[in-house]
Amino acid sequence: QMQLQESGPGLVKPSETLSLTCTVSGDSITNYYWSWIRQPPGKGLEWIGYIYYSGSTNYNPSLKSRVTISVDMSENQFSLKLNSVTASDTAVYYCAPGQGGGWFDPWGQGTLVTVSS
Amino acid sequence: DIVMTQSPDSLAVSLGERATINCKSSQSLLYSSNNKNYLAWYQQKPGQPPKLLIYWASTRESGVPDRFSGRGSGTDFTLTISSLQAEDVAVYYCQQYYGTPYTFGQGTKLEIK
Repeated sequence: QMQLQESGPGLVKPSETLSLTCTVSGDSITNYYWSWIRQPPGKGLEWIGYIYYSGSTNYNPSLKSRVTISVDMSENQFSLKLNSVTASDTAVYYCAPGQGGGWFDPWGQGTLVTVSS
Repeated sequence: DIVMTQSPDSLAVSLGERATINCKSSQSLLYSSNNKNYLAWYQQKPGQPPKLLIYWASTRESGVPDRFSGRGSGTDFTLTISSLQAEDVAVYYCQQYYGTPYTFGQGTKLEIK
């Protein structure tokens, strides 16, 4: 059964770069499109973007200028970098595979990233 | 972007009663070539990630109780819980995957009356 685990710093300073990694177990990273989704505290869900193992990416235009998603097949991981962060980037960040037409299942447990000096 | 709007924002239902959540998209989610609606529903309990309930608007995910059902087509969709149980207290989200950026509804908070 597939499991996902997000990891990375829980605190990032304003204007710096947020970096997270999602480690996939129980399935191959070559089998799906892999997404990052975030949820500000007490708010709704925002899709950030996805990557395929080939390196093909698709980003949300609202974040495109600041986002890079990459994949490491050897480690069965994919990563998120979001630069020039502000307090509005404070959120729980989730990783998830895109299934079938594009729904997400399962989800990682999520990791809270706070942007603060 | 396709805008997803849920109603109501919050809902209180008695145990054993029916709960209905609505989701409206700003454009049709029906793909004519396969006659499928590109819509999913999720349940999120406090401190947990969202859990997939339904995809293709009406296909229940394996393991999801049959009191959960989804219906609708085009731009109007509903999630129904036929007989509310205490463990169904959660926030429910719809999501469109017809096109990118994938987008979610704002969420509906379901409570016990």
